[in-house]
Amino acid sequence: GAVVSQHPSWVICKSGTSVKIECRSLDFQATTMFWYRQFPKQSLMLMATSNEGSKATYEQGVEKDKFLINHASLTLSTLTVTSAHPEDSSFYICSARGQATNEKLFFGSGTQLSVL
Amino acid sequence: GQQLNQSPQSMFIQEGEDVSMNCTSSSIFNTWLWYKQDPGEGPVLLIALYKAGELTSNGRLTAQFGITRKDSFLNISASIPSDVGIYFCAGLWGGAQKLVFGQGTRLTINP
Repeated sequence: GAVVSQHPSWVICKSGTSVKIECRSLDFQATTMFWYRQFPKQSLMLMATSNEGSKATYEQGVEKDKFLINHASLTLSTLTVTSAHPEDSSFYICSARGQATNEKLFFGSGTQLSVL
Repeated sequence: GQQLNQSPQSMFIQEGEDVSMNCTSSSIFNTWLWYKQDPGEGPVLLIALYKAGELTSNGRLTAQFGITRKDSFLNISASIPSDVGIYFCAGLWGGAQKLVFGQGTRLTINP
């Protein structure tokens, strides 16, 4: 299957700081990337959808000024959690798809964010 | 919005037993996907289904896309310890092309 690389795997930060998470498609061009959030023992909740070169579309209830998404190229999307607070602590997962994946969605390995 | 009801929520079985889980919805989906997630990892795609009635196998795993396009099941035959994890169904719907996830089935295997 296609490979999606996500970094960092985990990050601990102080409250009020910003954290950037990268998502890269290594062997295909990702026309669309998705960002999910997952709390312990719960399912994945879609935060936003981003298409290369255009603004991200956020799901209802997700603050776009807090969760900044950039999809500047066909292989890279970033999620920046601005002014992080303890309630932002969660497991963040990116996913990507493109023509080469026959529209199947492949996931990164996730980023565990802990805000102190 | 679209919702998927996945059951059972958890399963405790003996090694070697067969496993069956399913997802249902009141909405029609264009594609069904089944994923497995290990702790601290992202979901890994197991099987993708694109047509109503489609039956697809991947080793000991078999999944089917329901005729009504509102349900799908996943079977695991002769379970082994490495099958432990959380299994998610996911459906792709409509022009929005968003993936909706079920609540997950947590599989535990007693050796």
